[in-house]
Amino acid sequence: AQSVTQLDSHVSVSEGTPVLLRCNYSSSYSPSLFWYVQHPNKGLQLLLKYTSAATLVKGINGFEAEFKKSETSFHLTKPSAHMSDAAEYFCVVNPGTYKYIFGTGTRLKVLA
Amino acid sequence: DTGVSQNPRHKITKRGQNVTFRCDPISEHNRLYWYRQTLGQGPEFLTYFQNEAQLEKSRLLSDRFSAERPKGSFSTLEIQRTEQGDSAMYLCASSSRARGGGEAFFGQGTRLTVV
Repeated sequence: AQSVTQLDSHVSVSEGTPVLLRCNYSSSYSPSLFWYVQHPNKGLQLLLKYTSAATLVKGINGFEAEFKKSETSFHLTKPSAHMSDAAEYFCVVNPGTYKYIFGTGTRLKVLA
Repeated sequence: DTGVSQNPRHKITKRGQNVTFRCDPISEHNRLYWYRQTLGQGPEFLTYFQNEAQLEKSRLLSDRFSAERPKGSFSTLEIQRTEQGDSAMYLCASSSRARGGGEAFFGQGTRLTVV
């Protein structure tokens, strides 16, 4: 069965410090993996995607993620947090079918 | 692309009433999805259309729920005899494997409150 586990429901960082949001997946097939961000009262916006090309993926707003098949992980990082990064982040797997399977989300709080 | 559009953005209804939501996908996308998101949870898959054909319905989609996508363009999601447990954000998404690397594009959602 395909699934996504986001290991932290809440993460707090200080502005200017690194961000790490953790995601592990389970898939029987070579998956596509995505990170989406959801700001309050806004739609889901794609941050970045992995689709079997380079394992280190760069996205918008300085975010990047590394696909590690041996660890079945796809953690999201950013070197320096900004106040505007405060939002809900979702790790999503598409296991080679049409369906997108979401994690339960990680709420990122950025402290001034 | 004008993006995925959903209407209405908010709906408050009394328990037992019927409601209908509309989704206009990105025009060249042949795949359309409905998801439901409750507070503090990630979106959960409800149903999937490829063109006008509804190819999968989640067990979450009880017989009070029906979705259509006539002519493979816009889609509607109807909930009959609404219950308080139906209160949630209903998200529509579209995608095309021919473009964009396979990601889904989401609308801003319709927030349903059943009172």
